[in-house]
Order: sequence, then C-alpha cells, then structure tokens
Amino acid sequence: AQSVSQHNHHVILSEAASLELGCNYSYGGTVNLFWYVQYPGQHLQLLLKYFSGDPLVKGIKGFEAEFIKSKFSFNLRKPSVQWSDTAEYFCAVNAQYNAGNMLTFGGGTRLMVKP
Amino acid sequence: KAGVTQTPRYLIKTRGQQVTLSCSPISGHRSVSWYQQTPGQGLQFLFEYFSETQRNKGNFPGRFSGRQFSNSRSEMNVSTLELGDSALYLCASSSGTRSTYEQYFGPGTRLTVT
Repeated sequence: AQSVSQHNHHVILSEAASLELGCNYSYGGTVNLFWYVQYPGQHLQLLLKYFSGDPLVKGIKGFEAEFIKSKFSFNLRKPSVQWSDTAEYFCAVNAQYNAGNMLTFGGGTRLMVKP
Repeated sequence: KAGVTQTPRYLIKTRGQQVTLSCSPISGHRSVSWYQQTPGQGLQFLFEYFSETQRNKGNFPGRFSGRQFSNSRSEMNVSTLELGDSALYLCASSSGTRSTYEQYFGPGTRLTVT
C-alpha cells in the first residue's frame, strides 16, 4: 500500500520569504502526484500535478514542484509567498496500478504567512 | 461549468442513526470519489464509483456504502453512526479516463454525530 509523508505540519513565514514544503511517498511503481490547497473556509483546489515528462511542474499562483524519482519526493516551492497563501497544503499520490482514482493524501502542512 | 455540489452541507445525527449524503459531479464527469477528512486521520479515501460501478474501495467498515446513478450523481450512506464518524465528507469528480486523474473536490458535508 502506498503512503505519503509531509514533514512539516506547521510552517510560519513572513511575506516575500521563499517556501519549500516536503512530500515523500512510498511506492516503487509509477505514480501520479498532486498538490492540493485548502484555503480557510474553502474547498480543496488543485495547485499542480505531475503525470509524466518534465519533472519540474508549474502550477497556479506561482507554485512549482519537482519530482525526484530517486528520492520518492515531490516538494512544493514558491519563491516569494504572500499573505493570501495562508492555507493548508496537501500532497497526494495515485499509484498507476489503481484502475481509477484513489488518492492517498499526506497529513497536510498548515502555512501561515505573516504580513 | 458548475463545480461539484454536495448536499446537505451540514448534518447533525445521533449515534445509531443512519445518514445519506449526496454528490453531483461536474457535468460530463463519470467518476465520483468519496473521502473522509478528520483532524486526527486527515484525508482518507472511502470509495470510487465509475459508470455506476464501484471501482476502488478504501479501508472502511461495511457501514460505509455508496452508489452511483446513471446520471453520475452519487450517494454515500453510513449506517449505525458512531461518534467517530463525525467528519467532513468530501466528494470529488473526474472524467475517469486513464489519461487524466485530476479530481475536482466539492465543499463537503460536515457530519456531526452526537
């Protein structure tokens, strides 16, 4: 069975600081990888996704993530955070042996950006 | 396109009762998945339906069940409610084709069991 670990449970940054959130998964086969964000009072929204090809993927709102297969990692980055980035971020994996959609989520990282 | 809608948004039930939650996917989407979100366990996969058939199932007891209708709308049912079933239940839809596994989430139904 696959599992996903997000190392940081809570992160506090000042505006304009750089962000990197760690995500590691345990599954030896081919995976589809996602980062979702949940803003306060809103539903989960897809930030970015990786299916294949270029391991550096760009998403919405200036976020990007890098898939490093050898490290089973898919870390999320943003060069300069804004107060509006305050939210909870979830990494998720769908192993391609699954016949369909069966996301395994990490525990989430709560990001607070101080103005 | 309208997003994923879930009804009701909030629900309060008593231990031992049963409950039915509803999800309407994005138009054209044939896959509907259900997830449970709790502070302690995080987001956990319940099951997925595709073209009225259960395609995947998570590790939840048989009290949790679901179904999908021909118009892709889905319901999930929880029987004999326990206090631990209090959670946010999220529905997600996708086109279900192998070329994409992008899921779009609804706002959730907040279930409180007293």
